[in-house]
Amino acid sequence: EPEVTQTPSHQVTQMGQEVILRCVPISNHLYFYWYRQILGQKVEFLVSFYNNEISEKSEIFDDQFSVERPDGSNFTLKIRSTKLEDSAMYFCASSDPADRIDTQYFGPGTRLTVL
Amino acid sequence: GNSVTQMEGPVTLSEEAFLTINCTYTATGYPSLFWYVQYPGEGLQLLLKATKADDKGSNKGFEATYRKETTSFHLEKGSVQVSDSAVYFCALRSQGGSEKLVFGKGTKLTVNP
Repeated sequence: EPEVTQTPSHQVTQMGQEVILRCVPISNHLYFYWYRQILGQKVEFLVSFYNNEISEKSEIFDDQFSVERPDGSNFTLKIRSTKLEDSAMYFCASSDPADRIDTQYFGPGTRLTVL
Repeated sequence: GNSVTQMEGPVTLSEEAFLTINCTYTATGYPSLFWYVQYPGEGLQLLLKATKADDKGSNKGFEATYRKETTSFHLEKGSVQVSDSAVYFCALRSQGGSEKLVFGKGTKLTVNP
């Protein structure tokens, strides 16, 4: 069964460093999403992406964040200068254009630790 | 704004016990409602959904009914198994075209043999 994959599973970085979190969505999906979950808190929406542009973003998704689909398979989230409060589990998701309203398929997450 | 509140965990049950995980929401109009499950080491998986009032979503023995009058979408299972041990997330997608899912905090369920 097709699945969303994410790498790395755990990333440790120093405050102020740039990180890139990588995701490989399901191959025929065209809508892509990033969510995050700070420990003990809710899963929060960050951004959605379609047709090579951001279609929706939350207040969390400020200028320090960017997303890119650099090739036909990867979808990345970049944090330019990490802060301690960026420590969280980051989930990538994708959905089928014919089914996007109903089902978002999630990856296993990348745990980001900012020291 | 839209929000989802789920019962705090963790929940520990014996095998074959009855499960209820409460979920209530705040949203305008008629949001779509979802339950996602996260097994250890895996991503969030859609468990069931309902898109209009009085709809009942069901899957793998789990059920939830969309109750507009009480703004609730409680998850139930009549007889849990050890393999149901996971974290369960209630979520909504608002009416009107927004793509984002709004999640509750998640409820960790442990089922003991």
